[in-house]
Amino acid sequence: DQQVKQNSPSLSVQEGRISILNCDYTNSMFDYFLWYKKYPAEGPTFLISISSIKDKNEDGRFTVFLNKSAKHLSLHIVPSQPGDSAVYFCAASDGSNYQLIWGAGTKLIIKP
Amino acid sequence: DGGITQSPKYLFRKEGQNVTLSCEQNLNHDAMYWYRQDPGQGLRLIYYSQIVNDFQKGDIAEGYSVSREKKESFPLTVTSAQKNPTAFYLCASSMAGHEKLFFGSGTQLSVL
Repeated sequence: DQQVKQNSPSLSVQEGRISILNCDYTNSMFDYFLWYKKYPAEGPTFLISISSIKDKNEDGRFTVFLNKSAKHLSLHIVPSQPGDSAVYFCAASDGSNYQLIWGAGTKLIIKP
Repeated sequence: DGGITQSPKYLFRKEGQNVTLSCEQNLNHDAMYWYRQDPGQGLRLIYYSQIVNDFQKGDIAEGYSVSREKKESFPLTVTSAQKNPTAFYLCASSMAGHEKLFFGSGTQLSVL
């Protein structure tokens, strides 16, 4: 039973346009969410996070939106750049033991 | 520079052989983790350790063993009991009580 789902295995976006990556979760106890970016044969790197007390968090070109009633979060990248081509993982925590539950990832391809 | 070092980058295992993956961190983090990534899947937790000389099983601990004799080191042994060891293995660390993980660059393990 996947508690964190990223339903789009891949996404192709034109350079300069907005990339929107989606993540759904089923566990209402999750209270902290993170996005990680991963290049092939490398470890993931932290991108941005959001606490359940907020509905938006912004860091430069990256914005994460949280809709608790829909159990949905999204990562917006504006404008998209070639270096953004990577796999993006959504992860969630319920704070009980600080363990993360991971989605399967979405491969983002930025077209020139 | 502070970080997490995993070695080797690539590792090959013969049938019936135990192999050990190294993970060292100089971030002074208390918690360390081992994850496994298979193609098209999210990260799955193998073992984690919140403090020296203590560790807990994750979701897929069978066929693996760990030790945590030093704060900086958290080696993972893939035993012959792990029948499907081919995967990308990631080590991570975090401050105690924090969900934000820092990852190493990974080890690709393959079976000969």
